[in-house]
Amino acid sequence: DTAVSQTPKYLVTQMGNDKSIKCEQNLGHDTMYWYKQDSKKFLKIMFSYNNKELIINETVPNRFSPKSPDKAHLNLHINSLELGDSAVYFCASSQGGGPWEQYFGPGTRLTVT
Amino acid sequence: GESVGLHLPTLSVQEGDNSIINCAYSNSASDYFIWYKQESGKGPQFIIDIRSNMDKRQGQRVTVLLNKTVKHLSLQIAATQPGDSAVYFCAENIRGAQKLVFGQGTRLTINP
Repeated sequence: DTAVSQTPKYLVTQMGNDKSIKCEQNLGHDTMYWYKQDSKKFLKIMFSYNNKELIINETVPNRFSPKSPDKAHLNLHINSLELGDSAVYFCASSQGGGPWEQYFGPGTRLTVT
Repeated sequence: GESVGLHLPTLSVQEGDNSIINCAYSNSASDYFIWYKQESGKGPQFIIDIRSNMDKRQGQRVTVLLNKTVKHLSLQIAATQPGDSAVYFCAENIRGAQKLVFGQGTRLTINP
């Protein structure tokens, strides 16, 4: 009965590759997010979707493309991976269209070599 | 804002003591604040939130205080336990922005 789940938990890949991270929430929330947490633990929002529509795009390179097939899923596809993309990526969800009381997934640790 | 430095601020407390974790914010238009706990290898876990029309909110063993005059937020944890060891983040929503902006984080360590 995991609330927000992400796959994979770990992802190791080479520069230039394309990879995807999947996120699913079973909370019935209407808003989903992607965050990036760097090695200094700084957590920054990348995207948010409300009812499958993009609401926030925080000047993320267009190599990153989120896709929301339905309210319960928000996937993140990354093209042409770079060393600087190495980080932990968190998916989160909330209800009501606002950032209130977001629930986070367990994270995906991406390592680009 | 951006995290600076290589190390998180750290707070060490004795088991059983009360912990107070502080957070400063800069935007007077912030209308919602939230505290998260992040254990090693896990995602941030919601602890407690507070809206700007309140000064104080209490949960189980936790209290959040909001001082809008000096733009300061604190999280008080009563009778700290080993399981409270984690990194704690405050986050704010700036009215109209519809997104959380996270602070730097504070690492709480518990001494036996």
